[in-house]
Amino acid sequence: DIVMTQSPLSLPVTPGEPASISCRSSQSLLLTNGYNYLDWYLQKPGQSPQLLFYLGSHRASGVPDRFSGSGSGTDFTLKISRVEADDVGFYYCMQTLQTPFTFGPGTTVEIK
Amino acid sequence: QVQLRESGPGLLKPSQTLSLTCTVSGVSVSGGGYYWSWVRQHPGKGLEWIGFIYFGGRTYYKPSLKGRLTISVDTSKNQFSLKLTSVTAADTAMYYCARGNFMEGQYTLYYGMDVWGQGTTVTVSS
Repeated sequence: DIVMTQSPLSLPVTPGEPASISCRSSQSLLLTNGYNYLDWYLQKPGQSPQLLFYLGSHRASGVPDRFSGSGSGTDFTLKISRVEADDVGFYYCMQTLQTPFTFGPGTTVEIK
Repeated sequence: QVQLRESGPGLLKPSQTLSLTCTVSGVSVSGGGYYWSWVRQHPGKGLEWIGFIYFGGRTYYKPSLKGRLTISVDTSKNQFSLKLTSVTAADTAMYYCARGNFMEGQYTLYYGMDVWGQGTTVTVSS
């Protein structure tokens, strides 16, 4: 199985400031078609997960453009240019290169 | 508007069979370009991919659950289901169903799971 790791696991943030989450995979998620098989999800407290990005950097419908997904191969980053209070929750990366799909352990984002 | 809703028993005893149903509205489960997933979350823990099914019956399961897990689609009811046999306390979790998007070609492209149910809590206890 592909092992996903995230850092940090806990991220206190200040509204208006930027924030960044790192996700790494145990093997490259870049396929010869040029796509990175990585998704990002946000699970707000008490809610179901919601899709933020697919194929590494493709923003899902309705996701504000202050969120960005980048990276390639084994190293990926989710960035929030200016954190808002509504962004608190648990952020997960997930690889879709091969089954079983595997999630990272999650990063808890909370307001300082 | 596409909606998914899980249903099933909230409490089971060890060794029983868990059967969950995800009722889909706003889109056909037999529609092209979708796969139908189950994801679970143990209490206070992260997300765990369980498996999914494409319309047509092709299924992919988490290896550690193979032999106990079956995911199926019922087009007449526009539902898909999860059946997990011989449950133990380790199967206690919130179970989510979700719609995934994909496009087949030389390489399958996965466009993420964009619609999720609200989740259903399953507790296994004697």
